[in-house]
Parts: sequence; structure tokens; C-alpha cells
Amino acid sequence: QSVLTQPPSVSAAPGQKVTISCFGSSSNIGNNYVSWYQQLPGTAPKLLIYDNNKRPSGIPDRFSGSKSGTSATLGITGLQTGDEADYYCGTWDSSLSAVVFGGGTKLTVL
Amino acid sequence: EVQLLESGGGLVQPGGSLRLSCAASAFTFSSYAMSWVRQAPGKGLEWVSTISGSGAGTYYAGSVKGRFTISRDNSKNTLYLQMSSLRAEDTALFYCAKGIGAADLSNFDYWGQGTLVTVSS
Repeated sequence: QSVLTQPPSVSAAPGQKVTISCFGSSSNIGNNYVSWYQQLPGTAPKLLIYDNNKRPSGIPDRFSGSKSGTSATLGITGLQTGDEADYYCGTWDSSLSAVVFGGGTKLTVL
Repeated sequence: EVQLLESGGGLVQPGGSLRLSCAASAFTFSSYAMSWVRQAPGKGLEWVSTISGSGAGTYYAGSVKGRFTISRDNSKNTLYLQMSSLRAEDTALFYCAKGIGAADLSNFDYWGQGTLVTVSS
């Protein structure tokens, strides 16, 4: 059971928009920055969003992040088949003194 | 281009030990925190440990505390993970990951391709 809760799967059609939620608590998301990672099949994770809503160099603005209270959201617009991947949220948990990840969300682009 | 190359994985018996290495290049190694993150077959990501850029600060997941030791040699641009008292549940692909800053504990902007650790008799 992961400390952060994500939906197991989401799906949408090419060109559409999808959001992936990540629910936590005051000890993690509520008081710390959130990051988001994309893991394409058979590859290492890739940082998409850090500090709640910042994109590393090279990440297209189709990807966005937001945080409100103890939850965070990853948004992806203009969906492409190449976006099919597992997506993970992560943050620091001050009570556990540990990095915690969500269980991951599998995105299917129909 | 930043590169992280893990090595040292393999098959080990329960109770055994293994040392993983991660050779880093194309960035000022000592200026960044480094971490190990693992992924059991078919499962999600699990953070294992982080060490600050200077090496003065180390952090561990509860599941490995007391069994794993993270360290770094900034003169060799290399990160290590010494693992002992290994259990079947430690079986995973272990990734080396670079932090965004010297003390950044939870943002990993570059990842290696991983080294597989299998604990089995």
C-alpha cells in the first residue's frame, strides 16, 4: 500500500486532455513539493514536473502540474500514442523522513 | 550529456551481500545529492536511499535501514550501495538517480538504466 494514492489507470483519446491525481496527507504533499515521473515501457523513469509545477528543460508544455492542499494533479494535453506510460507522483514525507511515491497510473491513449 | 551507469547487480542467496556502484559523468558530481530507487518486477517505484552532495547527510527507507549503506566517492564520481542481509523481497531493478541540487532529497532529474538484483536460493 503506497503512502500516496493514484488511480491505477486512466485513458483518453489522441488529442484529448487527461489528468492524473495524487492524494496524500499533511506530512507529505501538504507541506512538501511534488514531482511527477513518466516511465515508458521497459525504460527508466523520466522527470516531468518538479516543485509542484516546474518543467525541466526539454519537457513540452503539454505537461503541467498543480497542487492544492494534500493533493496534486498532473495534466497532459494533446495526447499522443507516445504518451502511453506509467506515471508516478513523488514527494518527501516529513513524518517518515523518507521519499514516497504513488503506486503509479497507467495511461492508455485509445 | 549526463550519464549514470549502474553495475554490481546479480544473483545472491538470502542473507548474502552485494555492492552496487553507479558511475556518473558530465556533471559536477559533488554538487548534487544522489539516490537509489528500486522497482520490483511488475511493481512501482520504491525509494531506497539518498546521500547529500558532500556525503554528510544520508537517508534510508525503513525497509532497508540497518541493512543497506549508501556512500559516495566524489573523487571518483561514483555512488555506492552496500547491501547486506538480503531478502527475497529486495529483488528488484535498482536505479541510480541524480538530485536536482546538493540537498534535494526528492527530485530526480536523471536516472540510470538500472542493475538487477535477484535474491534467491
